[in-house]
Amino acid sequence: EADIYQTPRYLVIGTGKKITLECSQTMGHDKMYWYQQDPGMELHLIHYSYGVNSTEKGDLSSESTVSRIRTEHFPLTLESARPSHTSQYLCASSEYHLVGGGAGTGELFFGEGSRLTVL
Amino acid sequence: AQKVTQAQTEISVVEKEDVTLDCVYETRDTTYYLFWYKQPPSGELVFLIRRNSFDEQNEISGRYSWNFQKSTSSFNFTITASQVVDSAVYFCALSDNFGNEKLTFGTGTRLTIIP
Repeated sequence: EADIYQTPRYLVIGTGKKITLECSQTMGHDKMYWYQQDPGMELHLIHYSYGVNSTEKGDLSSESTVSRIRTEHFPLTLESARPSHTSQYLCASSEYHLVGGGAGTGELFFGEGSRLTVL
Repeated sequence: AQKVTQAQTEISVVEKEDVTLDCVYETRDTTYYLFWYKQPPSGELVFLIRRNSFDEQNEISGRYSWNFQKSTSSFNFTITASQVVDSAVYFCALSDNFGNEKLTFGTGTRLTIIP
């Protein structure tokens, strides 16, 4: 059973508001990720982190920002929400493995997601 | 660039029927990993299987089986004797060999098992 938690599960807000989606994991994983899931189900990586003070942008450009001050915490922030930001946001984590010969389980542990609706 | 194609957007079968979910991938890497995840209505994705590109053996886990064919770049997933609890969205995914677990997901297949 995964120990990764996201809050809020559901959020409806007006345009222009600042929002932060919280993600915490208790597994001590170094790697954490944010995926955005379209209403049509497709998942896109928007941010990832290999550890404290490490953040990188993913394959899909996003106006959101992330921070990684603590290993267990990887919040995502939108400074000014717009209707185009309406989506499901999924946080995930995995153990870090040094590269070499196929190291790494590849298993991502996902939270239940935060469904954001911007009016 | 990596790409995963799940051509079946939605599938419905009657309970106890077998069903196969298709997955075709594209990659330039010689070593890579393939995955299947299940997303039940609760929302979280649940890991089902990982397969590396060197291991083409088919795998069976209970009612689940996976058929990896490198020659056709496919990694299909079969559920035998389907049950209502199998209803979910299933994602196929691909990652490179660099251990960074940055997955490229397919668009998912919504499977509905009709009682």
